[in-house]
Amino acid sequence: AQSVSQHNHHVILSEAASLELGCNYSYGGTVNLFWYVQYPGQHLQLLLKYFSGDPLVKGIKGFEAEFIKSKFSFNLRKPSVQWSDTAEYFCAVNRGYGGATNKLIFGTGTLLAVQP
Amino acid sequence: DSGVTQTPKHLITATGQRVTLRCSPRSGDLSVYWYQQSLDQGLQFLIHYYNGEERAKGNILERFSAQQFPDLHSELNLSSLELGDSALYFCASSAGPYEDTQYFGPGTRLTVL
Repeated sequence: AQSVSQHNHHVILSEAASLELGCNYSYGGTVNLFWYVQYPGQHLQLLLKYFSGDPLVKGIKGFEAEFIKSKFSFNLRKPSVQWSDTAEYFCAVNRGYGGATNKLIFGTGTLLAVQP
Repeated sequence: DSGVTQTPKHLITATGQRVTLRCSPRSGDLSVYWYQQSLDQGLQFLIHYYNGEERAKGNILERFSAQQFPDLHSELNLSSLELGDSALYFCASSAGPYEDTQYFGPGTRLTVL
């Protein structure tokens, strides 16, 4: 069965520090990859997604992620975090075209706290 | 604002009761998904409907059921509620059944007392 692992459960950074959140998935076939963000008390918002093409994906708010197929990884990065980036970040995967559904399988989430 | 609406925002009820959560997808989207977010289980896929038909079931209890109506809105029915059903229930929508980005609604927070 597909699964997604986020190794960092809780990350605390100071403003302007660089961020890298790890995400690994287990599925041998074609996958689509996503990072969602959930600000306190709010719904999930899409940060970025990878379907195919350039493995370095740029998203909103200065975030980017790199798909490394050989490592089954899709790590999220931001060169300089702001206090407003405080939120929970979820990595998710679904099967590429051909499945009956594109249900999302989520990781356990990483809670990021940015200190001013 | 994702364009996906969910009602009610909060729901407090007692064990053994039945509730209905409602979701309206973004305009033009044919797929609706339901997810449950709880502290111990994280975000779990429950069920997927596409254009009125069930496409896939995840970890959905037999006490739970869902449907998608001709106007494409969806309802999630939870019955014989238990304390452990307390969670945030999200609905998401996408244009089709494959390869499409899912956009999430604001969620319904269910508290079972």
